[in-house]
Amino acid sequence: GENVEQHPSTLSVQEGDSAVIKCTYSDSASNYFPWYKQELGKRPQLIIDIRSNVGEKKDQRIAVTLNKTAKHFSLHITETQPEDSAVYFCAAVSSRGRALTFGSGTRLQVQP
Amino acid sequence: GAVVSQHPSWVICKSGTSVKIECRSLDFQATTMFWYRQFPKQSLMLMATSNEGSKATYEQGVEKDKFLINHASLTLSTLTVTSAHPEDSSFYICSAGPFNDKYEQYFGPGTRLTVT
Repeated sequence: GENVEQHPSTLSVQEGDSAVIKCTYSDSASNYFPWYKQELGKRPQLIIDIRSNVGEKKDQRIAVTLNKTAKHFSLHITETQPEDSAVYFCAAVSSRGRALTFGSGTRLQVQP
Repeated sequence: GAVVSQHPSWVICKSGTSVKIECRSLDFQATTMFWYRQFPKQSLMLMATSNEGSKATYEQGVEKDKFLINHASLTLSTLTVTSAHPEDSSFYICSAGPFNDKYEQYFGPGTRLTVT
């Protein structure tokens, strides 16, 4: 089955700096890669996703890049704000309608 | 659109009792729903895939006789934790989807289970 690894486990940045979180996946058949933000006790919130036929996607301060050959994808947050502080999870799915395999999570702390 | 509800949002039960958690898709039909478990400071781990009208598919290491899943309609899946023990205390989250031509999964708000 799919295995998703995520780094780093914790990340502390100053407000206004950029944050980068990286994930690798094992199943070359995976074709959908969402990123979630989760606050304590809440459901995961989709912040951006990318399909395997796209190399990069951007939405305001958030961007995701995908390297299919290397089987890794990354989340980039620019101009970080204290409200960006949360746990972020990457995930992968091998085909539409299948379950998500999650990374281990990154706790992002944005220092004001 | 694409709202998934879960009930209850939290529950406390005594060891040895059973607890039922409901997951509903409110504005779309879901032939497949997924149940995840999340322990404190850990990731979401898939427990089982719930299929409408057929048996659920359980992940390795998840006891199907302990975690009973019923998906009797296109909008409702239930997870029953039988003979609960303190180690079953966790955050249980369901998801449903995709629908239309999307890939996105839609998560319920989660259920915090505490077994005393």
